[in-house]
Amino acid sequence: EAEVAQSPRYKITEKSQAVAFWCDPISGHATLYWYRQILGQGPELLVQFQDESVVDDSQLPKDRFSAERLKGVDSTLKIQPAELGDSAMYLCASSTRQGLVGANVLTFGAGSRLTVL
Amino acid sequence: AQTVTQSQPEMSVQEAETVTLSCTYDTSENNYYLFWYKQPPSRQMILVIRQEAYKQQNATENRFSVNFQKAAKSFSLKISDSQLGDTAMYFCAFMNVNAGNMLTFGGGTRLMVKP
Repeated sequence: EAEVAQSPRYKITEKSQAVAFWCDPISGHATLYWYRQILGQGPELLVQFQDESVVDDSQLPKDRFSAERLKGVDSTLKIQPAELGDSAMYLCASSTRQGLVGANVLTFGAGSRLTVL
Repeated sequence: AQTVTQSQPEMSVQEAETVTLSCTYDTSENNYYLFWYKQPPSRQMILVIRQEAYKQQNATENRFSVNFQKAAKSFSLKISDSQLGDTAMYFCAFMNVNAGNMLTFGGGTRLMVKP
């Protein structure tokens, strides 16, 4: 069964350091989502891509966070500099293009757990 | 903007019994989907059930069913014959079709199934 791949699974870093997360969606999925999930809370959307274009990044803290999906396939989420409050699980999800069958169903990756010391 | 509220932070149920998880949402949209996702401990999020807003019939998936009250903006999940493997965080989610299928989650309900 196709999966959304994320790496690293775990990352421990010190505050003020840079950190990056990678996501490879299911092949052919045009829509890619990055969510942040603080322990014990619901996921919060950071950025949503359709192909290589940003659909929504209104909740992305742009002073320290950046996201790209240059070729419309895999994606990287970067944090620089990391702060203590960034400790969370970073989830990537993908779906087919809006308007196609199954476009409303997101498949999630296992997540990247970040601990900032 | 849409908001999704889950008013039960934690719930427990005895194995084989039935439990209902509550969810309310706030939106001015007419074209949307509602979902329940399950997140087992240390495992990834998986879809439990979905409901199209334009359908009046409540969705059912095996032991899982929903009670969709569109006017009341309520979307509860009923789990019948609860199993130990149902222990997980459950998230209610709202998808705004008019906003590029943006998916907004509630805060979650932690469900513990007791043997």
